[in-house]
Amino acid sequence: GENVEQHPSTLSVQEGDSAVIKCTYSDSASNYFPWYKQELGKGPQLIIDIRSNVGEKKDQRIAVTLNKTAKHFSLHITETQPEDSAVYFCAARTSYDKVIFGPGTSLSVIP
Amino acid sequence: GAVVSQHPSWVICKSGTSVKIECRSLDFQATTMFWYRQFPKQSLMLMATSNEGSKATYEQGVEKDKFLINHASLTLSTLTVTSAHPEDSSFYICSARTSGRSTQYFGPGTRLTVL
Repeated sequence: GENVEQHPSTLSVQEGDSAVIKCTYSDSASNYFPWYKQELGKGPQLIIDIRSNVGEKKDQRIAVTLNKTAKHFSLHITETQPEDSAVYFCAARTSYDKVIFGPGTSLSVIP
Repeated sequence: GAVVSQHPSWVICKSGTSVKIECRSLDFQATTMFWYRQFPKQSLMLMATSNEGSKATYEQGVEKDKFLINHASLTLSTLTVTSAHPEDSSFYICSARTSGRSTQYFGPGTRLTVL
């Protein structure tokens, strides 16, 4: 079935450094890739998304890249701040119009 | 941005009882709503997809008679956990999407504890 893998599972960075989270997907027909941030006890919040006809998208300190051939996509957060600490999920919309989530990355930004 | 609310935010019930969770889209028409379940330190697992006015489509392994989903209007979907058992204790999250758009907006979640 459809699968989304995500690495690393935990990531600790110093404030001001960059953080990179990588994901792979299995369904080559996937065409939409959102990223969500989830704080403890809350629902996921969409932070950025990218469609398959675009290779890169940036929104202030956050950027996402997509390699359709390799079925890879990545999240880049620059100039990290303590409030960036949360669990981040990548996701992919499959050919069955379902959004499948990766297992998540727990990001800690150390002041 | 689009806002999705859930009620209640948390609920505690006795084993064998039923619990209803509401999901509302506050400022857009949700033609499709999704229900997810999330266990501690795990990812979101899709339980079912519902389109307004139609029967929900359940994922493999999700009992449709236990998790009743109703999506009777463009702003409201409900999930009823029937005959709840302790193993049903989890964080239930809904999301909503409008016709023709890819983006799903998530609610704040409902923490269910079954004693």
